[in-house]
Amino acid sequence: DIRVTQSPSSLAASIGDRITITCQASQDTHRFVSWYQHKPGKAPQLLIYATSTLHTGVPSRFRGTGSGTDFTLTIASLQPEDVATYYCQQYVDAPPTFGQGTRVEIK
Amino acid sequence: QVQLAQSGAVVKKPGSSVKVSCKTPGDTFKKNVFSWLRQAPGQAPEWIGGFNPIVQTTHRAVKFQYRLTVTMDEDLATGQMKLDSLTSDDTALYYCATVHGPLAGGMRGYFASWGQGTQVTVSS
Repeated sequence: DIRVTQSPSSLAASIGDRITITCQASQDTHRFVSWYQHKPGKAPQLLIYATSTLHTGVPSRFRGTGSGTDFTLTIASLQPEDVATYYCQQYVDAPPTFGQGTRVEIK
Repeated sequence: QVQLAQSGAVVKKPGSSVKVSCKTPGDTFKKNVFSWLRQAPGQAPEWIGGFNPIVQTTHRAVKFQYRLTVTMDEDLATGQMKLDSLTSDDTALYYCATVHGPLAGGMRGYFASWGQGTQVTVSS
Protein backbone atom coordinates (compact mmCIF):
# COMPACT_ATOMS: atom_id res chain seq x y z
CA ASP A 1 0.00 0.00 0.00
CA ILE A 2 1.13 3.58 -0.61
CA ARG A 3 2.05 5.27 2.66
CA VAL A 4 0.95 8.86 3.11
CA THR A 5 2.74 10.99 5.68
CA GLN A 6 1.09 14.22 6.71
CA SER A 7 2.53 17.09 8.77
CA PRO A 8 2.19 18.74 11.13
CA SER A 9 -0.12 16.59 13.25
CA SER A 10 -1.62 19.74 14.71
CA LEU A 11 -1.28 23.49 14.49
CA ALA A 12 -2.75 26.60 16.06
CA ALA A 13 -2.95 29.88 14.17
CA SER A 14 -4.71 33.22 14.39
CA ILE A 15 -7.73 34.29 12.39
CA GLY A 16 -6.50 35.62 9.08
CA ASP A 17 -3.24 33.67 9.13
CA ARG A 18 -2.05 31.65 6.16
CA ILE A 19 -1.51 28.02 7.07
CA THR A 20 0.09 25.15 5.18
CA ILE A 21 -0.30 21.40 5.60
CA THR A 22 2.01 19.02 3.77
CA CYS A 23 1.52 15.49 2.58
CA GLN A 24 4.18 13.10 1.28
CA ALA A 25 3.42 9.83 -0.47
CA SER A 26 5.76 6.83 -0.57
CA GLN A 27 5.63 6.78 -4.36
CA ASP A 28 4.59 8.98 -7.28
CA THR A 29 0.83 9.63 -7.16
CA HIS A 30 0.62 11.31 -10.58
CA ARG A 31 -1.33 14.12 -8.91
CA PHE A 32 -4.15 11.77 -7.81
CA VAL A 33 -4.38 13.43 -4.42
CA SER A 34 -7.41 14.79 -2.61
CA TRP A 35 -7.96 16.72 0.62
CA TYR A 36 -10.81 16.48 3.15
CA GLN A 37 -12.06 18.56 6.06
CA HIS A 38 -13.48 16.66 9.01
CA LYS A 39 -15.46 18.27 11.80
CA PRO A 40 -16.63 16.32 14.89
CA GLY A 41 -20.00 14.66 14.44
CA LYS A 42 -19.96 15.06 10.67
CA ALA A 43 -18.73 13.01 7.76
CA PRO A 44 -15.49 14.13 6.09
CA GLN A 45 -16.09 16.70 3.36
CA LEU A 46 -14.16 16.78 0.10
CA LEU A 47 -12.23 20.02 -0.41
CA ILE A 48 -9.87 19.36 -3.30
CA TYR A 49 -9.26 16.57 -5.81
CA ALA A 50 -6.67 15.97 -8.51
CA THR A 51 -4.19 17.95 -6.39
CA SER A 52 -5.64 21.39 -7.09
CA THR A 53 -9.28 21.28 -8.23
CA LEU A 54 -11.68 22.79 -5.71
CA HIS A 55 -14.82 20.74 -5.08
CA THR A 56 -18.14 22.50 -5.63
CA GLY A 57 -18.86 25.13 -3.00
CA VAL A 58 -15.41 25.13 -1.41
CA PRO A 59 -14.18 28.67 -0.63
CA SER A 60 -11.35 29.99 -2.74
CA ARG A 61 -9.12 30.50 0.33
CA PHE A 62 -8.37 26.77 0.08
CA ARG A 63 -5.62 25.88 -2.39
CA GLY A 64 -3.91 22.63 -3.27
CA THR A 65 -0.55 22.28 -4.98
CA GLY A 66 2.08 19.66 -5.59
CA SER A 67 3.38 16.94 -7.84
CA GLY A 68 5.07 13.57 -7.67
CA THR A 69 5.18 12.62 -4.01
CA ASP A 70 4.86 16.03 -2.30
CA PHE A 71 1.62 17.97 -1.88
CA THR A 72 0.39 20.96 0.05
CA LEU A 73 -2.93 22.31 1.28
CA THR A 74 -2.93 26.04 2.00
CA ILE A 75 -5.63 28.06 3.69
CA ALA A 76 -4.93 31.63 2.64
CA SER A 77 -6.74 33.34 5.49
CA LEU A 78 -7.83 31.14 8.39
CA GLN A 79 -11.46 31.55 9.44
CA PRO A 80 -13.22 30.31 12.60
CA GLU A 81 -15.22 27.79 10.57
CA ASP A 82 -11.97 26.19 9.35
CA VAL A 83 -11.34 24.59 12.75
CA ALA A 84 -11.27 20.90 11.84
CA THR A 85 -8.99 17.98 11.08
CA TYR A 86 -7.68 17.84 7.52
CA TYR A 87 -6.69 14.67 5.68
CA CYS A 88 -4.92 14.08 2.41
CA GLN A 89 -5.59 10.94 0.38
CA GLN A 90 -3.92 9.27 -2.59
CA TYR A 91 -5.95 7.39 -5.15
CA VAL A 92 -3.43 6.47 -7.81
CA ASP A 93 -3.27 2.95 -6.43
CA ALA A 94 -5.58 0.57 -4.60
CA PRO A 95 -6.28 0.67 -1.78
CA PRO A 96 -6.75 4.42 -1.51
CA THR A 97 -4.90 5.57 1.59
CA PHE A 98 -5.06 8.62 3.85
CA GLY A 99 -2.59 10.66 5.82
CA GLN A 100 -2.90 10.65 9.60
CA GLY A 101 -4.51 14.07 9.69
CA THR A 102 -3.71 17.62 10.79
CA ARG A 103 -5.78 19.17 13.52
CA VAL A 104 -6.22 22.93 12.98
CA GLU A 105 -7.17 25.17 15.88
CA ILE A 106 -7.48 28.89 16.48
CA LYS A 107 -4.80 30.47 18.67
CA GLN B 1 -24.11 15.73 -4.16
CA VAL B 2 -25.55 12.20 -3.87
CA GLN B 3 -27.73 11.51 -0.83
CA LEU B 4 -26.64 8.36 1.00
CA ALA B 5 -28.72 7.02 3.89
CA GLN B 6 -27.06 4.50 6.17
CA SER B 7 -28.52 2.11 8.73
CA GLY B 8 -28.44 2.97 12.41
CA ALA B 9 -25.89 2.48 15.16
CA VAL B 10 -25.33 -0.99 16.54
CA VAL B 11 -23.60 -2.66 19.48
CA LYS B 12 -22.18 -6.11 18.89
CA LYS B 13 -20.46 -8.79 20.93
CA PRO B 14 -16.91 -9.90 20.09
CA GLY B 15 -16.98 -12.76 17.59
CA SER B 16 -20.32 -11.75 16.09
CA SER B 17 -21.09 -10.14 12.73
CA VAL B 18 -22.46 -6.75 11.73
CA LYS B 19 -24.35 -5.57 8.67
CA VAL B 20 -24.40 -1.95 7.54
CA SER B 21 -26.53 -0.76 4.64
CA CYS B 22 -26.35 2.30 2.40
CA LYS B 23 -29.37 3.42 0.37
CA THR B 24 -29.32 5.91 -2.48
CA PRO B 25 -32.03 7.42 -4.67
CA GLY B 26 -32.83 4.86 -7.37
CA ASP B 27 -31.83 7.07 -10.27
CA THR B 28 -28.32 7.57 -8.91
CA PHE B 29 -27.49 4.02 -7.85
CA LYS B 30 -26.42 2.74 -11.28
CA LYS B 31 -24.60 5.97 -12.14
CA ASN B 32 -22.10 5.83 -9.29
CA VAL B 33 -19.36 3.71 -7.77
CA PHE B 34 -19.38 3.32 -3.98
CA SER B 35 -16.86 2.57 -1.27
CA TRP B 36 -17.04 1.53 2.35
CA LEU B 37 -14.66 3.28 4.73
CA ARG B 38 -14.30 3.30 8.47
CA GLN B 39 -12.82 5.71 10.97
CA ALA B 40 -11.86 4.79 14.50
CA PRO B 41 -11.62 7.58 17.09
CA GLY B 42 -8.56 9.74 16.50
CA GLN B 43 -7.61 7.76 13.40
CA ALA B 44 -7.56 8.47 9.69
CA PRO B 45 -10.28 7.04 7.48
CA GLU B 46 -9.53 3.54 6.21
CA TRP B 47 -10.86 2.08 2.96
CA ILE B 48 -12.32 -1.39 3.52
CA GLY B 49 -14.20 -2.25 0.32
CA GLY B 50 -16.66 -1.12 -2.31
CA PHE B 51 -19.14 -1.94 -5.01
CA ASN B 52 -19.69 -0.88 -8.58
CA PRO B 53 -23.32 -1.21 -9.72
CA ILE B 54 -22.38 -0.09 -13.22
CA VAL B 55 -20.40 -3.25 -13.94
CA GLN B 56 -21.71 -5.36 -11.02
CA THR B 57 -18.42 -5.86 -9.20
CA THR B 58 -17.50 -5.83 -5.52
CA HIS B 59 -14.13 -5.21 -3.92
CA ARG B 60 -12.48 -5.82 -0.54
CA ALA B 61 -9.25 -4.58 0.98
CA VAL B 62 -6.74 -7.42 1.39
CA LYS B 63 -6.85 -6.85 5.17
CA PHE B 64 -10.56 -7.74 5.22
CA GLN B 65 -10.72 -10.32 2.44
CA TYR B 66 -11.60 -13.23 4.72
CA ARG B 67 -14.27 -11.58 6.85
CA LEU B 68 -15.90 -8.84 4.75
CA THR B 69 -18.79 -9.43 2.39
CA VAL B 70 -19.95 -6.62 0.11
CA THR B 71 -23.25 -6.90 -1.71
CA MET B 72 -25.61 -4.67 -3.66
CA ASP B 73 -29.29 -4.79 -4.60
CA GLU B 74 -30.12 -2.77 -7.67
CA ASP B 75 -33.87 -3.07 -7.13
CA LEU B 76 -33.55 -1.55 -3.66
CA ALA B 77 -30.76 0.83 -4.72
CA THR B 78 -28.90 -0.36 -1.64
CA GLY B 79 -25.42 -1.56 -0.88
CA GLN B 80 -24.53 -3.60 2.18
CA MET B 81 -21.39 -4.68 3.99
CA LYS B 82 -21.15 -7.56 6.45
CA LEU B 83 -18.12 -7.85 8.71
CA ASP B 84 -17.56 -11.13 10.57
CA SER B 85 -15.53 -12.17 13.60
CA LEU B 86 -15.74 -8.75 15.20
CA THR B 87 -13.19 -7.60 17.75
CA SER B 88 -12.88 -4.38 19.73
CA ASP B 89 -10.55 -3.11 16.98
CA ASP B 90 -13.56 -2.97 14.67
CA THR B 91 -15.23 -0.31 16.81
CA ALA B 92 -15.50 2.66 14.45
CA LEU B 93 -17.76 4.88 12.39
CA TYR B 94 -18.50 3.13 9.11
CA TYR B 95 -19.25 5.24 6.05
CA CYS B 96 -20.38 4.63 2.52
CA ALA B 97 -19.21 7.19 -0.02
CA THR B 98 -19.33 7.77 -3.76
CA VAL B 99 -16.08 7.25 -5.65
CA HIS B 100 -14.99 9.60 -8.42
CA GLY B 101 -12.13 10.12 -10.84
CA PRO B 102 -10.75 8.41 -13.93
CA LEU B 103 -9.78 5.31 -11.96
CA ALA B 104 -12.97 5.08 -9.89
CA GLY B 105 -14.11 1.81 -11.46
CA GLY B 106 -11.15 0.12 -9.82
CA MET B 107 -11.92 1.70 -6.46
CA ARG B 108 -9.13 4.22 -7.02
CA GLY B 109 -10.87 7.52 -6.59
CA TYR B 110 -11.72 10.39 -4.32
CA PHE B 111 -14.85 10.47 -2.18
CA ALA B 112 -17.29 13.26 -2.97
CA SER B 113 -20.51 12.31 -1.16
CA TRP B 114 -20.62 10.54 2.18
CA GLY B 115 -23.37 8.90 4.18
CA GLN B 116 -24.04 10.08 7.71
CA GLY B 117 -21.99 7.25 9.16
CA THR B 118 -22.97 4.19 11.19
CA GLN B 119 -21.43 3.74 14.64
CA VAL B 120 -20.43 0.13 15.23
CA THR B 121 -19.39 -0.63 18.79
CA VAL B 122 -17.94 -4.01 19.67
CA SER B 123 -18.14 -4.69 23.37
CA SER B 124 -18.70 -7.64 25.67
